[in-house]
Amino acid sequence: EAGVAQSPRYKIIEKRQSVAFWCNPISGHATLYWYQQILGQGPKLLIQFQNNGVVDDSQLPKDRFSAERLKGVDSTLKIQPAKLEDSAVYLCASSLEILSVTFFGQGTRLTVV
Amino acid sequence: AQSVTQLDSQVPVFEEAPVELRCNYSSSVSVYLFWYVQYPNQGLQLLLKYLSGSTLVKGINGFEAEFNKSQTSFHLRKPSVHISDTAEYFCAVTVIQGAQKLVFGQGTRLTINP
Repeated sequence: EAGVAQSPRYKIIEKRQSVAFWCNPISGHATLYWYQQILGQGPKLLIQFQNNGVVDDSQLPKDRFSAERLKGVDSTLKIQPAKLEDSAVYLCASSLEILSVTFFGQGTRLTVV
Repeated sequence: AQSVTQLDSQVPVFEEAPVELRCNYSSSVSVYLFWYVQYPNQGLQLLLKYLSGSTLVKGINGFEAEFNKSQTSFHLRKPSVHISDTAEYFCAVTVIQGAQKLVFGQGTRLTINP
């Protein structure tokens, strides 16, 4: 079965610019997650969707980060404007339902200069 | 809220030696526990999970972990490592009831030397 697809793999932007990441989960997976992994740290959950709805976005910096899940399938994560501390790998993951086995994409490595 | 502490940030071992990666968690309620592996430039892959039942859990690639409720630990072990086991290993926890989300530890970088 196809895995979780993410694009782009790498992105370099200047601070105060905007950036968007795209994720296509495994077909049929109702739950979709976005994680932020800063170098040397474990992944931190930014937002969790169940179908179209947001289950948890308590750690999403809502003044600059936004995310949506179109028709309960693909998702985009946007940062506007970016800060230097946003440099990280952004991981998308999906599961059939909350807390069944979670599959991760390869991530998007963002560098803000 | 739950939290995870991985006690070693880096673990170097020689090939064919045994290894143990330590993980302790904190939670006021019952939890599920996971170990994930991240190879260079790749996403996370599930190694094994503890949901219930036997406290000794076997996973892929010869890894196993033991859940110890009294010590709130979930240490990962392998009796004989290979060069290909070089990777970052993450312990993660989620509560069974309520808002379920994976909370990860800081990671342990396992380096296998020939």
